[in-house]
Amino acid sequence: EPEVTQTPSHQVTQMGQEVILRCVPISNHLYFYWYRQILGQKVEFLVSFYNNEISEKSEIFDDQFSVERPDGSNFTLKIRSTKLEDSAMYFCASRGGTDTQYFGPGTRLTVL
Amino acid sequence: AQSVTQLDSHVSVSEGTPVLLRCNYSSSYSPSLFWYVQHPNKGLQLLLKYTSAATLVKGINGFEAEFKKSETSFHLTKPSAHMSDAAEYFCVVSRAKAAGNKLTFGGGTRVLVKP
Repeated sequence: EPEVTQTPSHQVTQMGQEVILRCVPISNHLYFYWYRQILGQKVEFLVSFYNNEISEKSEIFDDQFSVERPDGSNFTLKIRSTKLEDSAMYFCASRGGTDTQYFGPGTRLTVL
Repeated sequence: AQSVTQLDSHVSVSEGTPVLLRCNYSSSYSPSLFWYVQHPNKGLQLLLKYTSAATLVKGINGFEAEFKKSETSFHLTKPSAHMSDAAEYFCVVSRAKAAGNKLTFGGGTRVLVKP
């Protein structure tokens, strides 16, 4: 069964460094999403992406964040200058023609 | 605007007894509602969804949920818990048929199954 994959599973970085989180969505899906979950808090929507552009973003998704689909298979989330409060589990999701989003296993980001 | 409240952060049941996870939602639009489950170190897996068809929705692993518009509820049930049901469960709402279709999550309910 096709699934969404994410790499790395765990990323440790120093405050102020750039990180790129990678996702491979299900191959025939056209809609892509990033969510995050800070420890002890709810899963929060960050951004949705369709047809090579952002279709919606949350207040969290400020200028420090960007997304890209560089090669038709990967979907990346970049944080330019990480802050301590960016420490969280980041989930990628994709969907096809239905409204069901399929999630990856997540990347745990730890900012020191 | 939309929001989800899961009324119990933790539920403990004995194996073989019923499970009830409670969820209330608020939405300015006609909602789609979902239950996802997350086992330790795994991704979020869809259990079931409601998208304006039958109000009683059956999902995987014997779970079902009933959409009650008058009560703005979407409670998840299973008649007989199994040890493998120990996980965290999320009730989720989105705007039906919306292009962006962002999901709004509840706080999660962690289920413990005792032998």
